[in-house]
Amino acid sequence: AQKITQTQPGMFVQEKEAVTLDCTYDTSDPSYGLFWYKQPSSGEMIFLIYQGSYDQQNATEGRYSLNFQKARKSANLVISASQLGDSAMYFCAMRGFSGSARQLTFGSGTQLTVLP
Amino acid sequence: DVKVTQSSRYLVKRTGEKVFLECVQDMDHENMFWYRQDPGLGLRLIYFSYDVKMKEKGDIPEGYSVSREKKERFSLILESASTNQTSMYLCASTRGGTSYEQYFGPGTRLTVT
Repeated sequence: AQKITQTQPGMFVQEKEAVTLDCTYDTSDPSYGLFWYKQPSSGEMIFLIYQGSYDQQNATEGRYSLNFQKARKSANLVISASQLGDSAMYFCAMRGFSGSARQLTFGSGTQLTVLP
Repeated sequence: DVKVTQSSRYLVKRTGEKVFLECVQDMDHENMFWYRQDPGLGLRLIYFSYDVKMKEKGDIPEGYSVSREKKERFSLILESASTNQTSMYLCASTRGGTSYEQYFGPGTRLTVT
């Protein structure tokens, strides 16, 4: 079974500052993928970034980077230079690579508010 | 651009009614999923399908069924709606292969009264 834990229900950050959203996971799969999604108040889920468990380097996509620490089973999202439009709910998710594990397992989310 | 569409953004139904939620994707994706989203619980998988006429139960299938007669369409059915099924329902699709992200529809907010 897979489990994702996001321990920060809500976070505040000042505009233009960096913020780290925490995510820890648990899985027995030797190979897996980790995802981050953003959900603005409008409701749509927007894919942000992906990290494979065997990727040598941490993933980056523009202002988003994933701080992947495999030994600690953590996959924190770092948003640099926060913007007001970054205010949203953020979900960490994972998928195993074995068997029929095609589905994502999601954490409970972190509500990020960017302050002007 | 991948498009996943859902038949309704908002839906209000009465207890005991049969409810159909429709999802259509236009990118020939093999896999399709239905989730429900509740505050503090994140997204929970109800059912998924990896091929036409194929389905697998997710974490919370009780009270729901699904249908996939065509590759692009995946329907969620509430056989007899109950108030505890009031929720946001999200459909998603993805290509085969486990490293690909899921693309989500806009969601249907269902209220059962």
